[in-house]
Amino acid sequence: SQTIHQWPATLVQPVGSPLSLECTVEGTSNPNLYWYRQAAGRGLQLLFYSVGIGQISSEVPQNLSASRPQDRQFILSSKKLLLSDSGFYLCAWSKRSTGELFFGEGSRLTVL
Amino acid sequence: DQQVKQNSPSLSVQEGRISILNCDYTNSMFDYFLWYKKYPAEGPTFLISISSIKDKNEDGRFTVFLNKSAKHLSLHIVPSQPGDSAVYFCAASDSNYQLIWGAGTKLIIKP
Repeated sequence: SQTIHQWPATLVQPVGSPLSLECTVEGTSNPNLYWYRQAAGRGLQLLFYSVGIGQISSEVPQNLSASRPQDRQFILSSKKLLLSDSGFYLCAWSKRSTGELFFGEGSRLTVL
Repeated sequence: DQQVKQNSPSLSVQEGRISILNCDYTNSMFDYFLWYKKYPAEGPTFLISISSIKDKNEDGRFTVFLNKSAKHLSLHIVPSQPGDSAVYFCAASDSNYQLIWGAGTKLIIKP
């Protein structure tokens, strides 16, 4: 069976510090991978998605970047965090044949 | 411009009664609709989906209805249970499989 895992679960970082959230998927190959942020009143906001290694699409301009160094690994990064980057970040994967998404446990980021 | 709208931020229902969560969309190219359930500090979990070729899909206590002419879908939960208290997200996709999400509705089941 397929599993998705993201870490760390919680993170407290000072403004201006770097960020790295990691996500890995097991039990499937060549998945579509996604980074979402849950924003109050706006539901789930898609930040990045990837259809293959090194292929990243950005949905919104922001202080964040994403990378996919391996088929089942997706990383969300920032060089310098802003206060507005605080939030709940979710990694997800989907099969290419359907639109159904499977989510990781989520990472709560607090920028102070 | 929100293509998927959940106009009720919250809904309170008595345990044992029916919960009806609504979702409206504007893009007629959407052909697949999904409902997700989310507990605090957890990732959303898939609940039920419906293709645009159907108008109803049922799975246990959960039924999703699709009215294409009205661009409206609804999720019915009957009977409602305390464990159903969560935030419910409606999502829609087109042939590119990119999901567009609603803002969510917080369902509270009262004992």
